[in-house]
Amino acid sequence: GAGVSQSPRYKVAKRGQDVALRCDPISGHVSLFWYQQALGQGPEFLTYFQNEAQLDKSGLPSDRFFAERPEGSVSTLKIQRTQQEDSAVYLCASSPGGGNYGYTFGSGTRLTVV
Amino acid sequence: AQSVSQHNHHVILSEAASLELGCNYSYGGTVNLFWYVQYPGQHLQLLLKYFSGDPLVKGIKGFEAEFIKSKFSFNLRKPSVQWSDTAEYFCAVVLTGGGNKLTFGTGTQLKVEL
Repeated sequence: GAGVSQSPRYKVAKRGQDVALRCDPISGHVSLFWYQQALGQGPEFLTYFQNEAQLDKSGLPSDRFFAERPEGSVSTLKIQRTQQEDSAVYLCASSPGGGNYGYTFGSGTRLTVV
Repeated sequence: AQSVSQHNHHVILSEAASLELGCNYSYGGTVNLFWYVQYPGQHLQLLLKYFSGDPLVKGIKGFEAEFIKSKFSFNLRKPSVQWSDTAEYFCAVVLTGGGNKLTFGTGTQLKVEL
């Protein structure tokens, strides 16, 4: 597609519920990144894929967070047993190469845990 | 760990005023530098980037930034702001050859008044 597409745009989850957030990168983009942006903060790195390989997951805050990109295109970020502190905007970005090329960001998914 | 500091969290200017937003980073190695803008309700968009060469970089919409290596700074400037520049501005850095994750500052909220 023309840009990075994320769905859903908004998600309200009850505490303890599992959620799955989807990212459709720009076609042909090798690199895919997930970021978490809390209110009033800059985006914080979560994880990075090159094709289907997850090369860096150092930013995932706990083992409740899991990301996959099984065919090297669409990616899913899954959060298990959501907590209130997980409330944030989750951003996906893709790049034709590494991050040095700059990223194209999606509009994000705003997750609210109640 | 690398970090990015943006000194001004909120800036209010009148139209036609000049703008300078500060950005400093902590890492002493070779870096690539970016400014992103987020207009209300929209996704992050790249304003400009510095990889190498001329330290004065020109971006879209009349913005420019100057890389001063000795000061670890990459300040964003615009000679005359417009109401439509109202947005949040993020400085970001990535280490060259050290992975692909962008590290963002906390952002500066710019409001331009008519």
